Amino acid sequence: SAVISQKPSRDICQRGTSLTIQCQVDSQVTMMFWYRQQPGQSLTLIATANQGSEATYESGFVIDKFPISRPNLTFSTLTVSNMSPEDSSIYLCSLGGVTSTDTQYFGPGTRLTVL
Amino acid sequence: AQSVAQPEDQVNVAEGNPLTVKCTYSVSGNPYLFWYVQYPNRGLQFLLKYITGDNLVKGSYGFEAEFNKSQTSFHLKKPSALVSDSALYFCAVRDSGDNFNKFYFGSGTKLNVKP
Repeated sequence: SAVISQKPSRDICQRGTSLTIQCQVDSQVTMMFWYRQQPGQSLTLIATANQGSEATYESGFVIDKFPISRPNLTFSTLTVSNMSPEDSSIYLCSLGGVTSTDTQYFGPGTRLTVL
Repeated sequence: AQSVAQPEDQVNVAEGNPLTVKCTYSVSGNPYLFWYVQYPNRGLQFLLKYITGDNLVKGSYGFEAEFNKSQTSFHLKKPSALVSDSALYFCAVRDSGDNFNKFYFGSGTKLNVKP
């Protein structure tokens, strides 16, 4: 399986600021995903990031709040904008599969605390 | 729509005893089911998956899961629990058709293995 890294691994931020999270993969992948895991909760898909096209956002998530970049097949960023304490979560990137039998693998996550 | 349910928020078991973490599913089409584990301050790690074939699936760290179509269940099991198995476990199902890269996660079950 591919090796996925995320930066930063954790951060503590002030209300109203923005944080950009990076996801790097050691091989080329077509589809990457960003998930949010709020404290004590399960994972919720934020958006799908395909290289060369706009990200596709799930219901309840908007581009102004969570802009995503996908400049090439090994890298993506998620920005959490104008943060509030409710944005305190673990943010994870994951890799899509080529077929429906493929496993989806996840990065180590970024633990964000907003004060 | 696809969904999975994990009826237990927490499972407590003594080291050396067998463990079961429950998951039931609801899908349209073929069920492609997954188990992931999340250790504290870590991302999600893939344990095993059921795609087709043998109903008993073997995975990492000695875990296995039994697919039961009549009961729409996919329970995670291990014959002898270790303290190091203490973690958060997520069952997941992938969407069908062209959306196969979209995963739906259960609410998670915290496994506590006591020495």
